[in-house]
Amino acid sequence: KAGVTQTPRYLIKTRGQQVTLSCSPISGHRSVSWYQQTPGQGLQFLFEYFSETQRNKGNFPGRFSGRQFSNSRSEMNVSTLELGDSALYLCASTHGQGANEAFFGQGTRLTVV
Amino acid sequence: AQKVTQAQTEISVVEKEDVTLDCVYETRDTTYYLFWYKQPPSGELVFLIRRNSFDEQNEISGRYSWNFQKSTSSFNFTITASQVVDSAVYFCALSEKIQGAQKLVFGQGTRLTINP
Repeated sequence: KAGVTQTPRYLIKTRGQQVTLSCSPISGHRSVSWYQQTPGQGLQFLFEYFSETQRNKGNFPGRFSGRQFSNSRSEMNVSTLELGDSALYLCASTHGQGANEAFFGQGTRLTVV
Repeated sequence: AQKVTQAQTEISVVEKEDVTLDCVYETRDTTYYLFWYKQPPSGELVFLIRRNSFDEQNEISGRYSWNFQKSTSSFNFTITASQVVDSAVYFCALSEKIQGAQKLVFGQGTRLTINP
């Protein structure tokens, strides 16, 4: 059974640009969550999608957005990049019902210069 | 608000020693779930265990064991006879359910180094 796949693994962007990250969940999982990991703030919840609907959003500015497609694949977008957006972005998939264990991808390491 | 505290930022032990990672949580919910994840250098978070708030039984899985004490809001993780491959960052997390969604609140993590 394939795990959670995130692409790309590494990205270098310039301030002011925008970026799109992709996440393919485990087959059969309908929920995808995104987390940002930085040395200073640790792991923080960005948002969660279930059946193409955003169910919850963390405390991040509107520059951070996401969507989910009918095949449960998800993308997150960050516009007008800032240096502080440099982080490891992790995607997690679950069945979506109840407090199931979340399975994480290897993440996308974004560096903003 | 929910909060998870892992007071130990870094722990370093010699191989074969036992080591306990502490986790203290805060929540007003009566139903909640606690998790432990391991993050090796490759970056992904590897699921280790889930425990719900109604089940205070301790759990053992090989060299790993978990002690859940609701009275002290703690969910500690012990590795017995540690090995170099156990070196990683370990995260304790609390599940917060909002509008049907599950949101994990993580502690700051404990970096565990097992020296040969």
